[in-house]
Amino acid sequence: ETGVTQSPTHLIKTRGQQVTLRCSSQSGHNTVSWYQQALGQGPQFIFQYYREEENGRGNFPPRFSGLQFPNYSSELNVNALELDDSALYLCASSFGTGRATEAFFGQGTRLTVV
Amino acid sequence: SQQGEEDPQALSIQEGENATMNCSYKTSINNLQWYRQNSGRGLVHLILIRSNEREKHSGRLRVTLDTSKKSSSLLITASRAADTASYFCATEYGGSQGNLIFGKGTKLSVKP
Repeated sequence: ETGVTQSPTHLIKTRGQQVTLRCSSQSGHNTVSWYQQALGQGPQFIFQYYREEENGRGNFPPRFSGLQFPNYSSELNVNALELDDSALYLCASSFGTGRATEAFFGQGTRLTVV
Repeated sequence: SQQGEEDPQALSIQEGENATMNCSYKTSINNLQWYRQNSGRGLVHLILIRSNEREKHSGRLRVTLDTSKKSSSLLITASRAADTASYFCATEYGGSQGNLIFGKGTKLSVKP
């Protein structure tokens, strides 16, 4: 078990709604990255936060947004949910950016959009 | 788009046998990592190999990297039923801010 916790573990939302997912990073880590994993696929990078600033973004529309707090925990917000947003959302914490470092993943939030 | 492609997509072996999974990638990388995922849960880091390294070992795991062929392999020796999981390679490349690019994974099934 890593020290990264995500909440909630499962969530069902209706198309068009908004959702907020939460992640507590491992102690000592200042970087949080979010990934979306569709069924049968590898995780895809959404964005990364470093010291409360967005530090990189993958190919996701602006309705995917995030925050990082002074204690380095993070939120992922998705507006105007679409059916294709159904996936496992993973957060990973690490120390620093732009260098080879092990990422510690949480257990994920399974989002189902109906 | 995904940088790495694992091969095979699925692998079924008996306990005690060795399992070999391969990963190919497209662009030059800083490092390559292997992760394990049990039943759609979180990913567990297994091993990181830098672009200037050719081979690394960790317990029953052996990873090789061939940057000229843009490929890596993960060997699990003396497999156990508990090794049943999906295995992903992930690359970190120049210009990225530390984010990882994952392949689609190899689903390994180890039968007792």
